[in-house]
Amino acid sequence: GQQVMQIPQYQHVQEGEDFTTYCNSSTTLSNIQWYKQRPGGHPVFLIQLVKSGEVKKQKRLTFQFGEAKKNSSLHITATQTTDVGTYFCAGPSPFGQNFVFGPGTRLSVLP
Amino acid sequence: NAGVMQNPRHLVRRRGQEARLRCSPMKGHSHVYWYRQLPEEGLKFMVYLQKENIIDESGMPKERFSAEFPKEGPSILRIQQVVRGDSAAYFCASSPGGQGYNEQFFGPGTRLTVL
Repeated sequence: GQQVMQIPQYQHVQEGEDFTTYCNSSTTLSNIQWYKQRPGGHPVFLIQLVKSGEVKKQKRLTFQFGEAKKNSSLHITATQTTDVGTYFCAGPSPFGQNFVFGPGTRLSVLP
Repeated sequence: NAGVMQNPRHLVRRRGQEARLRCSPMKGHSHVYWYRQLPEEGLKFMVYLQKENIIDESGMPKERFSAEFPKEGPSILRIQQVVRGDSAAYFCASSPGGQGYNEQFFGPGTRLTVL
């Protein structure tokens, strides 16, 4: 079946530093979505990427979709304490109509 | 415009009892996904439903677990004869469309504890 991996598993940064999480799928994805989950909260949709090589920005967040549509990254510039949480990438499985989430990258931001 | 609602938010059951988790999707959404999340772990897909149909249940254990999304009323995830390993947070998400092409809106989750 499809596997979605993310690295790193954990990241601790000082406030103001940059942060990047990488997502890799064992299969080509029709699209990839990113979600953020605050501690004790529920996942919240951030963005969806569809096109090969697509880059989208949301303020300090930059999302990229790889040319082969098998990997993606999320980069946060100048982290703030409000960025704390776990970032998940996710995509539809090509083997059915289920949806596969990566294990997530947990970001801690030290003030 | 209410978001996705789940109830109860917290549920405590003893081993062998039944757990019923309810999910009301956002207005206008006819696609519902259920996920399980263990502490410090990611979201594991369980089942994808549309009104009155189970589309994909490949992530749901074949025994003790069942799900439905009736024509009227909320989607229900039912766990019979719960065991300690069922303790987890169960999230549902709704979407206006299916097949993973649309944003999923998550509910606040039900935290199930099995004693």
